[in-house]
Amino acid sequence: GIQVEQSPPDLILQEGANSTLRCNFSDSVNNLQWFHQNPWGQLINLFYIPSGTKQNGRLSATTVATERYSLLYISSSQTTDSGVYFCAVSIQGAQKLVFGQGTRLTINP
Amino acid sequence: GAVVSQHPSWVICKSGTSVKIECRSLDFQATTMFWYRQFPKQSLMLMATSNEGSKATYEQGVEKDKFLINHASLTLSTLTVTSAHPEDSSFYICSATDRNAYEQYFGPGTRLTVT
Repeated sequence: GIQVEQSPPDLILQEGANSTLRCNFSDSVNNLQWFHQNPWGQLINLFYIPSGTKQNGRLSATTVATERYSLLYISSSQTTDSGVYFCAVSIQGAQKLVFGQGTRLTINP
Repeated sequence: GAVVSQHPSWVICKSGTSVKIECRSLDFQATTMFWYRQFPKQSLMLMATSNEGSKATYEQGVEKDKFLINHASLTLSTLTVTSAHPEDSSFYICSATDRNAYEQYFGPGTRLTVT
C-alpha cells in the first residue's frame, strides 16, 4: 500500500517563529489533506490540496504531485498552533485516507 | 458547512458489554463514512468504510463481528463495539464525504474506556 512519511516527528519553537512541515508519499494520489489535531482530539481540516498551492491566513500549503511531496508552512507561530499535524492521502480510484505519523508541534510563549 | 458530529464524546463501560457510537453529518448527505481508531500518541488507523445502504468494508485485521457498522441513512452511521474488552479502549473517530467527493470531514471523536 501507499506509504506516507512526515517530518520532522517533533518540532519545538518559540512564539513568532516560522515552520515548515513535510509530507512524502510513495504513489500517485487523488486526495491530500492536512489536519491539525487539537488537544481534545478534534481533527481540524486545514487544506484539501492534491496539487498546487493554497493559503489561509498564516498557513499555506504546496503539493508537488509529480515529485510526491507536500509542504505545510506556518508563519508567525502562536501558542494555539500547538498540537499534532497530520498529512493524509488517498490513491487514485479510492476514497479511503492513509495517514502519516504526524508532526508534533510545540509553540512556547 | 461540512459538520460531522459524534455521540457520545466519551463513554466508560464494563468488560463484556456493548457500546454504540453514532456519527452524523449535520449539513450534507454522506454517501460514504469512515471509522478510525487512534491509540495514545499514535496516528489514525482506518477500521472500515461504510456506504449508505450497503455492508461495510473492513480493513485487514479488523474483526467485523466485534465492530458492527451500520449506515442506514445518508446522515447517520453507527459503530457498535460488541463484548468490549479493556484492549478495545481507544479514541474512535468517524469521517464523512459526500457523493463523488474526496475531501473528508471528521467528527470530534469518542473516547471509549472499558473497565
